[in-house]
Amino acid sequence: QSALTQPASVSGSPGQSITISCTGGRRDVGGYNFVSWYQQYPGKAPKFIIYQDNNRPSGVSNRFSGSKSGNTASLTISGLRAEDEADYYCCSYAGSGTLVFGGGTKLTVL
Amino acid sequence: QMQLQESGPGLLKPSQTLSLSCTVSGGPITSDTVYWSWIRQRPGKGLEWIGYIYTYFSGKMYYNPSLQSRVTISMDKSKNQFSLKMNSVTAADTAIYFCARTPRVITTPTGFDMWGPGSMVTVSS
Repeated sequence: QSALTQPASVSGSPGQSITISCTGGRRDVGGYNFVSWYQQYPGKAPKFIIYQDNNRPSGVSNRFSGSKSGNTASLTISGLRAEDEADYYCCSYAGSGTLVFGGGTKLTVL
Repeated sequence: QMQLQESGPGLLKPSQTLSLSCTVSGGPITSDTVYWSWIRQRPGKGLEWIGYIYTYFSGKMYYNPSLQSRVTISMDKSKNQFSLKMNSVTAADTAIYFCARTPRVITTPTGFDMWGPGSMVTVSS
């Protein structure tokens, strides 16, 4: 079970859109519609922001959206704000009842 | 509103057994729509799924294959708690340990929609 691949860092200016990729394989990301995304501020617990590839939980801003193509899932944040600066993690179901996380991406708002 | 709270010793010596509990308030842990999970985060590193338990029936557990030989997740319905035990700890097990709720679709875990604040565990001689 290998960790999903995310870029270590991404950056963008306020108002712009950024996309964070999450690449796995056919045994995880590409094999199921169960990718979730999390936002984590330093010293805090992660927050659930996307589930089942492209669904937003109640209360999560519609500036956050998820998508998937083949073995790569993506999180897009539009209208970037200073408060979006955080670490972002993807997670996928990987079969046989198991789950696997990505390595995480640090988002910097310039 | 449901809340989760981890508790347990913060300092262990190598070879000891890590033991943490997660107390769930605001609802029963015996729900047929969720699993209850443990996740950890080593200092400065990413998240690592440890395992989860299905408390509705017989308490079936699923574990990260890389940790399976050392980990046990159990439940105490009378206390509305679930627990993590990890034996033979080393410095590499130093991490923040989070408990979380995991909604399920049929039998598939879909992620972690509620989290405890985390409990720091340090393994040092």
